[in-house]
Amino acid sequence: NAGVTQTPKFRVLKTGQSMTLLCAQDMNHEYMYWYRQDPGMGLRLIHYSVGEGTTAKGEVPDGYNVSRLKKQNFLLGLESAAPSQTSVYFCASTPLGGATDTQYFGPGTRLTVL
Amino acid sequence: RKEVEQDPGPFNVPEGATVAFNCTYSNSASQSFFWYRQDCRKEPKLLMSVYSSGNEDGRFTAQLNRASQYISLLIRDSKLSDSATYLCVVNMDSSYKLIFGSGTRLLVRP
Repeated sequence: NAGVTQTPKFRVLKTGQSMTLLCAQDMNHEYMYWYRQDPGMGLRLIHYSVGEGTTAKGEVPDGYNVSRLKKQNFLLGLESAAPSQTSVYFCASTPLGGATDTQYFGPGTRLTVL
Repeated sequence: RKEVEQDPGPFNVPEGATVAFNCTYSNSASQSFFWYRQDCRKEPKLLMSVYSSGNEDGRFTAQLNRASQYISLLIRDSKLSDSATYLCVVNMDSSYKLIFGSGTRLLVRP
């Protein structure tokens, strides 16, 4: 039981390049989330999904797109990377969207945009 | 004003010490409260939920003060392994959306 996995673990991009971050969970969770974490700030929600085929914007969605074609996978895309997107990206999942649900996080992807 | 505020620390304490962290939140209608622990360069993991009546899990005690809009985490008999960043997390509206504080860093020294 791997829980939540993320690929890649590290990536360096040049400004304007694109990339896709993959999140996978094997817990059959309905809800999945993408966060970014920057120094001195809490985790901020980028996009989330309440089920296969659905996505919605979070707090800081600009510059990102997402897709959830399969229940177990949640992809985060950067179409044209900018230095402001240098961050640590965490994916998380919850069984449902309950207020008391524990969020299970992946190990993170460290992205640097030059 | 940030929705969830924490003292960033670091709190530097000797092994065996008792240490307490506070966290304030801005929305009086907030529903659920949590403490997550994050080790250096790792993902956050749930440490404990915070209930209105307060709750204890071994050396850890969490309390909620709705009138003053703060939650606290008390760690007794600190261990070296307690060194981490502790994130205060608040659910504002009974949905899945969580607001994370920026964390309080704890260093426990021998």
